[in-house]
Parts: sequence; C-alpha cells; structure tokens
Amino acid sequence: DGGITQSPKYLFRKEGQNVTLSCEQNLNHDAMYWYRQDPGQGLRLIYYSQIVNDFQKGDIAEGYSVSREKKESFPLTVTSAQKNPTAFYLCASRVLGGGAPVQPQHFGDGTRLSIL
Amino acid sequence: AQSVAQPEDQVNVAEGNPLTVKCTYSVSGNPYLFWYVQYPNRGLQFLLKYITGDNLVKGSYGFEAEFNKSQTSFHLKKPSALVSDSALYFCAVRARSGNTPLVFGKGTRLSVIA
Repeated sequence: DGGITQSPKYLFRKEGQNVTLSCEQNLNHDAMYWYRQDPGQGLRLIYYSQIVNDFQKGDIAEGYSVSREKKESFPLTVTSAQKNPTAFYLCASRVLGGGAPVQPQHFGDGTRLSIL
Repeated sequence: AQSVAQPEDQVNVAEGNPLTVKCTYSVSGNPYLFWYVQYPNRGLQFLLKYITGDNLVKGSYGFEAEFNKSQTSFHLKKPSALVSDSALYFCAVRARSGNTPLVFGKGTRLSVIA
C-alpha cells in the first residue's frame, strides 16, 4: 500500500542531544512537509521541500534542520537549540504540477517526542 | 498572509443530531479549502476539499461543507452525528497562486454523546 511512514512512533531526547525523525513516502509525491502539533495550537509548519536538494523554512524553523537527498525521504533533525521539543511531529506530502487537479496533503501517523 | 480561524475549541452534540463545525478563513484571492479529521495518536485524514464550482461540497463518511465567499466561511456539517465521529477536526486553506503549504486552524474537538 502507498503511504507515508514515520519512525519511530515514540522518541525520547536527553538534554543537549540531537535527534532525527524519519519520514519516507512511496506515493511519488513531489512536495514534503513537517508540522509540529501542540495541544490547542493546531499544526505549525517547520520546513517544507518541493524538490530534491531544496527546502524552505516554515513558521517555526528555529532549532530544526532538514535534508532532501531523495524524493521519497525528508528527515527532520531536532537540535539541542530547540529548547521545547516536546510535541507531536507530523510529516505530509503532496503531488505538485501545473494543470493537475489540486490534491490534498497526505499525512503520516506522527512521531511523539518527549524530553527525558 | 493566509489564516484560518476555528472559533470553537469544543463542540458537543447528541448522537443522531446534526452537527456543524465552524471555519472562517483569510487569503488573498480565491482559496482552496480543506477539512481533515484526526483520531488520537494518528495523522490527519482528508475529508473533503473546495476547489471551485458548487458551494456545497460532499466528502467522506457523510460529511459535507458549505463554502460562503461573502462570509469567508467553510463550515463542516453532517445531518446525523455518530459517536464514532468524535475526533479533532482541522480546517485548512491555501491560496490558488503558487504551491504554498496548507495553513491550518487550531482544531475543534467534536464530542458526540450517545
């Protein structure tokens, strides 16, 4: 089945540690996105990428980094500079392309990150 | 700048009654509008979208939404609520120009009581 796989489902970070969240899609989607979800705050965009080897900052990029070396993969690193990393992280993807019907973003099942 | 407002944090409705979850938006030009549903510890599932044409959009699981341009609203509705509809609902908007990411509202928790 095609879809978006996020791993791990639960992740714990120690003080001063960087951690990387994995996002893989086999939908052949062009664009990929990372959102952070906190209770009562909805989804906030961290980073997004529309093409391999290129990405843009979202609204809350500070303390995070990404890479897009392959079309199907868009890992997110939560660095030690992110002082409040506890949240639910969601990865999404979407087809792009002029003339194509507007397609919705598809989401993975998330990674819950906590501080030890 | 694009934005979405979901004015109700929580909506309670009795099973079998109609439900409405409200959404208003702000965007330059005409919008693309979406509704998603989220169950506990899961990602968001797409329910329906408004692109153009008929102002009443039908989606998954019996949900529909009404686009009102003059009121800049896109309220989610269902004629008869089920207990299994209890979840967190998100409205999202994107401008028609460019391939910008979706902007989401803060979500509305729907509780359907048997």
